[in-house]
Amino acid sequence: SQQGEEDPQALSIQEGENATMNCSYKTSINNLQWYRQNSGRGLVHLILIRSNEREKHSGRLRVTLDTSKKSSSLLITASRAADTASYFCATDASDSNYQLIWGAGTKLIIKP
Amino acid sequence: EAEVAQSPRYKITEKSQAVAFWCDPISGHATLYWYRQILGQGPELLVQFQDESVVDDSQLPKDRFSAERLKGVDSTLKIQPAELGDSAMYLCASSQAGNSREQYFGPGTRLTVT
Repeated sequence: SQQGEEDPQALSIQEGENATMNCSYKTSINNLQWYRQNSGRGLVHLILIRSNEREKHSGRLRVTLDTSKKSSSLLITASRAADTASYFCATDASDSNYQLIWGAGTKLIIKP
Repeated sequence: EAEVAQSPRYKITEKSQAVAFWCDPISGHATLYWYRQILGQGPELLVQFQDESVVDDSQLPKDRFSAERLKGVDSTLKIQPAELGDSAMYLCASSQAGNSREQYFGPGTRLTVT
């Protein structure tokens, strides 16, 4: 079953613009993680935010978490062509036994 | 940098045939996951191992799928017989014990059943 829902399903922007993707989930969580997947490849971990954190930065990435609304956002600043990929949020629920529940992803296209 | 290895990268098989995928996790990672991912969707957990023990295989179609991790290191996922609906990407991931629970993924095996 999929807990997370990403929004939008697809996003196309010009290189240099900022890209924002959102994720909503349903149950209490220990942490929320964002992953990137280039076409036809495995997933790469980007950033993890714990349930007691509200914002986290890593390079050009900024993640926010609002546990009252059960939502998170991923902001990529100054986008590059290499950022073209699908982005997934995954939640580690409080009773998950080390499992992640995945959303369907946002497909991001950066136009040169 | 240590990586999760998977083979083969691509597999084409006819329906009713048997197929097997192999995964070697990052050294020291006790937890190993097999996922199936259909194009345009997120990964779906098939089976989770902690060392050599199955933690969760509730989503594994046991009439045709089997998975093992005999020595708690590498793992094999088998499908017999393969069906057209099994065409998908099969991903292996591993993680350390502990609080971060970040998962490290292999490149995946793209299965096409004809």
